[in-house]
Amino acid sequence: AQTIHQWPVAEIKAVGSPLSLGCTIKGKSSPNLYWYWQATGGTLQQLFYSITVGQVESVVQLNLSASRPKDDQFILSTEKLLLSHSGFYLCAWSLLRQNYEQYFGPGTRLTVL
Amino acid sequence: GQQVQQSPASLVLQEGENAELQCNFSTSLNSMQWFYQRPGGSLVSLFYNPSGTKHSGRLTSTTVIKERRSSLHISSSQTTDSGTYLCALGPNSGGSNAKLTFGKGTKLSVKS
Repeated sequence: AQTIHQWPVAEIKAVGSPLSLGCTIKGKSSPNLYWYWQATGGTLQQLFYSITVGQVESVVQLNLSASRPKDDQFILSTEKLLLSHSGFYLCAWSLLRQNYEQYFGPGTRLTVL
Repeated sequence: GQQVQQSPASLVLQEGENAELQCNFSTSLNSMQWFYQRPGGSLVSLFYNPSGTKHSGRLTSTTVIKERRSSLHISSSQTTDSGTYLCALGPNSGGSNAKLTFGKGTKLSVKS
């Protein structure tokens, strides 16, 4: 069975500090991967997607970057956090050759102070 | 771009009452998903329902493509149903990004 794991579960970071959030999908070969973000009280929105290793497309500009170093791994990062980066980050996967259904990880709660 | 409107924004029920949550969208549909968002933020997938009616226990999802709407019906509500329900619209054309556009959610409170 496929599993999706996100790390860390939660982070409290200072403004201006770097950030790295991770996501791993096990049990699926060559999935499409996605990062979503939700500000406190806000609407979930997609940030990035990736259809293959090494290829990442940005959907929303938030001074964040993403990388896909392995088929089953998706990383979200920035060198300098802003207060506006606070919120909840979700990783998701899908197999477009099947349908458009997406499966979400447990998420990471980020607080920037 | 795609627009997704959920209604009502909030709903308060007495335990045992039924709930009808609506999701309307402005563009043609390719897929529709319903989620329950836990207080901590994680999502529980309820339905993937691009068209027609699906059932799962006390939950029923109905999507009517030509009317650009989808609904989630909760029968005999329980206090444990309390939380936020999100609908999400999938892409309306082919492509590599199966971007989901989320609604703002319906916050349901069920009182005993």
